[in-house]
Amino acid sequence: KQEVTQIPAALSVPEGENLVLNCSFTDSAIYNLQWFRQDPGKGLTSLLLIQSSQREQTSGRLNASLDKSSGRSTLYIAASQPGDSATYLCAVGGSQGNLIFGKGTKLSVKP
Amino acid sequence: EAGVAQSPRYKIIEKRQSVAFWCNPISGHATLYWYQQILGQGPKLLIQFQNNGVVDDSQLPKDRFSAERLKGVDSTLKIQPAKLEDSAVYLCASSLRVTEAFFGQGTRLTVV
Repeated sequence: KQEVTQIPAALSVPEGENLVLNCSFTDSAIYNLQWFRQDPGKGLTSLLLIQSSQREQTSGRLNASLDKSSGRSTLYIAASQPGDSATYLCAVGGSQGNLIFGKGTKLSVKP
Repeated sequence: EAGVAQSPRYKIIEKRQSVAFWCNPISGHATLYWYQQILGQGPKLLIQFQNNGVVDDSQLPKDRFSAERLKGVDSTLKIQPAKLEDSAVYLCASSLRVTEAFFGQGTRLTVV
C-alpha cells in the first residue's frame, strides 16, 4: 500500500530565504507526482506535475525534483515571500490517475 | 477556462441527517474525483469516475455514501445518514484522462 510522508510538518522562515520541502513515498511504481498549494479554507492549486520519466520541473521560483528509485521528491522555493505562506501537499499518481497525498507541510514566511 | 465548480461552499447539519454536494468539472474532462479531507490530513480519494463509469470506489463507505455522475458531466455526492466523523472538506477534481488534476474550492461539512 502506497504511503506518502512529508517532512517537516511545519516550517517558519524569514522572508528571502531559500527553502526545501521533502516528500517520500514507499512504492516507486508511480505514474506521476504533483505538488499542490492549499490556502486556508480553499481548494488545491496545482504547482508542478512531474511525470515518472522526468527528473525535475520548474515554474518561476519553484523547482521540484523526483528520484523514483529512492522514493523521494523535493520542492525548492527560492527567495521566499510572505505570499508563499500556505500548506504544500505532495501527491503521487497511479496509472488510473488517482492521487495519494501526504499530510502536507505548513509554511509560514515572516516579513 | 472555467475551473471546477462545487456547491455549496459550507454546510452544517445534525448527525443522522442527509446532505448532498454538487460538482461541475472542467469542460471536456472525462475523469472526475471526489476526495475527503479531514482537518490536518491530506485528501483521501472516495470515488473516481471515468465518464459515467466508476473506476475506483474502494474507500467509499457505501453504507452511507453514494455518488453518481450524470451523462458523464456533473456529479453529486450524498451522505445519508451523516456521522460526526464525516465532518471534513469534500473536494471535487477533474482531469483529462491520466493527467494533471484540477481541484474545486471544496465543500466544508460540519456535522453537529
